[in-house]
Amino acid sequence: TQLLEQSPQFLSIQEGENLTVYCNSSSVFSSLQWYRQEPGEGPVLLVTVVTGGEVKKLKRLTFQFGDARKDSSLHITAAQPGDTGLYLCAGARQTGANNLFFGTGTRLTVIP
Amino acid sequence: DAMVIQNPRYQVTQFGKPVTLSCSQTLNHNVMYWYQQKSSQAPKLLFHYYDKDFNNEADTPDNFQSRRPNTSFCFLDIRSPGLGDAAMYLCATSREGPGITDTQYFGPGTRLTVL
Repeated sequence: TQLLEQSPQFLSIQEGENLTVYCNSSSVFSSLQWYRQEPGEGPVLLVTVVTGGEVKKLKRLTFQFGDARKDSSLHITAAQPGDTGLYLCAGARQTGANNLFFGTGTRLTVIP
Repeated sequence: DAMVIQNPRYQVTQFGKPVTLSCSQTLNHNVMYWYQQKSSQAPKLLFHYYDKDFNNEADTPDNFQSRRPNTSFCFLDIRSPGLGDAAMYLCATSREGPGITDTQYFGPGTRLTVL
C-alpha cells in the first residue's frame, strides 16, 4: 500500500512554463519534505513543511502543506532546464520509528 | 562541504560475492539510515540505527546486514548479492529519532552492479 501518491508521475514541459506537482495521502503527517534527485545522485532536500497551511518559497519554487497535513503541493514558476529531475515528497509520522514514507515520485523534464 | 559521504560511488561485484558499502557523516547525527532505490522508484528503507540501536524493516531480506561502529560511520553488508540486488543504495542521517520528526539528509549514493 502506497501511503503517499504523487501526480503526475511524468511531466514534460517547455522552458518558461509553470507546473504543479501534488502529493496526496489519507494519513496525517507531522511534517513533509520535498526532495529533488538527479540521475546517479542522492535526493537533495528542498524544503520541510511542518504546520498545516504552511507556505514556503524557494526562489521559483512554492511549497504548500495542506491544512489537514495530509497533502502538499510544489509549484514551479517559469521552469528552467536545471529544474529537470525526480521530485519526491516524503512524510514523517509523529509516532513510532522515525521513518520517512516516500511518495511515488514525479519525473520532470524541462525542454529548452 | 560534503555532509553525508558514501564510498564507493560505483561498486561492481559478482553474483554471490560479499560486498560492503560505506557511509560516513560529519553532521554528528544520531540516526543513520540505509535505503535501496531501484530505477524510477522511490527509496525503500532497509534499516536504521538510532545511536547503537538497530532497527530492521520487516521486509528487509536477511542477506542485508548493517554495522555502526561509531557515530560517524555505518556500513551495509550484502552477504550474497543476487542479480535483484543491483540498485542504488542511499545512506541518510537525521538529528533525532523515534517519535520525533526531523529532516533526513542523503548521501550521493552507491550504484551497485551485480554480474
